[in-house]
Amino acid sequence: KQEVTQIPAALSVPEGENLVLNCSFTDSAIYNLQWFRQDPGKGLTSLLLIQSSQREQTSGRLNASLDKSSGRSTLYIAASQPGDSATYLCAAHNQAGTALIFGKGTTLSVSS
Amino acid sequence: ETGVTQSPTHLIKTRGQQVTLRCSSQSGHNTVSWYQQALGQGPQFIFQYYREEENGRGNFPPRFSGLQFPNYSSELNVNALELDDSALYLCASSLYVGNEQFFGPGTRLTVL
Repeated sequence: KQEVTQIPAALSVPEGENLVLNCSFTDSAIYNLQWFRQDPGKGLTSLLLIQSSQREQTSGRLNASLDKSSGRSTLYIAASQPGDSATYLCAAHNQAGTALIFGKGTTLSVSS
Repeated sequence: ETGVTQSPTHLIKTRGQQVTLRCSSQSGHNTVSWYQQALGQGPQFIFQYYREEENGRGNFPPRFSGLQFPNYSSELNVNALELDDSALYLCASSLYVGNEQFFGPGTRLTVL
């Protein structure tokens, strides 16, 4: 059974810092991996999708990496801003491509 | 291009009642997935519909059922509501099975 873990559960940084959020998964047989952002009480916003054959994806100040052999993914945020404050969720797509298995998220707070 | 929409936004029901939640997928997307998110947790996969057929199901009892219509919109029905069914219900659509999932804003269900 696939399990996804995110560390740390919460993170507070000053504006301008670069930071890394970690995600690990127990079953390397994933279809792809997706990172999301969730603001309080809201739906999920897709940030990046990494196909299982890819090693990384970049979008603006965000860079996500994937290492299937070690069961790890990282989300790198450059030059953090207060508007980046949110919960970040990592989700592994099961091998059939039907279900996303989510971690509990990392809640990020960026202070100005 | 319209994103994923869900209705209603909020809903209050009492234990034992039945509820229907609705989702309109993003234009051109033929796959819809439903998730339940309890407070402080990551979303849990309920089921997925592809071209009007159930295409995968998570660990939820049969009182959770769904439909997908020819226009690819979808409904989630929950019978015999229990207090633990109180959660944010999220709908996601994708261009095809296994592709990037885009989420709606969710329906907040409270069961009293």
